[in-house]
Amino acid sequence: AQSVTQPDIHITVSEGASLELRCNYSYGATPYLFWYVQSPGQGLQLLLKYFSGDTLVQGIKGFEAEFKRSQSSFNLRKPSVHWSDAAEYFCAVGASNFGNEKLTFGTGTRLTIIP
Amino acid sequence: NAGVTQTPKFRILKIGQSMTLQCTQDMNHNYMYWYRQDPGMGLKLIYYSVGAGITDKGEVPNGYNVSRSTTEDFPLRLELAAPSQTSVYFCASITRLTQRMNTGELFFGEGSRLTVL
Repeated sequence: AQSVTQPDIHITVSEGASLELRCNYSYGATPYLFWYVQSPGQGLQLLLKYFSGDTLVQGIKGFEAEFKRSQSSFNLRKPSVHWSDAAEYFCAVGASNFGNEKLTFGTGTRLTIIP
Repeated sequence: NAGVTQTPKFRILKIGQSMTLQCTQDMNHNYMYWYRQDPGMGLKLIYYSVGAGITDKGEVPNGYNVSRSTTEDFPLRLELAAPSQTSVYFCASITRLTQRMNTGELFFGEGSRLTVL
């Protein structure tokens, strides 16, 4: 079974500073990896995904993530955060066996932005 | 285009009561999911369905039941509500998870906040 670990429960960053959110996964085959963002009181929105190919993927809102198979990681980065980036971020890994396709989410990282 | 619609948005139940959370999607998606979200715990998969007539358990199925009689609807049933079922419930759908068929984006409903007292 697949699993996801987000080691940072809460991160505080100054506006304009760079950001990196960590994600480690466990899955026996090639994973499908995702980052979702959740604003307060809202559902989840897809930021970016990795299926195959280039290990550096670009997403919406200026986010990017890098897949590192050797480290079983898929860390999310942004060079300069904006106050509107304050939200909760979830990493997820997808099982890809036909008839067993489901996403497993991490516990989330809450991002606070300070002026 | 409504997307994924969940009802009700809020509900308070007494211990032992039963209720059904409704989920409907109008995108003709095959795959549908029910998650619960608890503070600090992320999203836990309760049940999922890969098509009409097919359902399977996720990580935390105990105390819940589902059915999938149509492509559009995927209701979640709580038979004997317990305080441990106080949570926010999200329904989601997707054409298919793998890259060949879609963009990989799960479409989420706005959530249903359930309190059991």
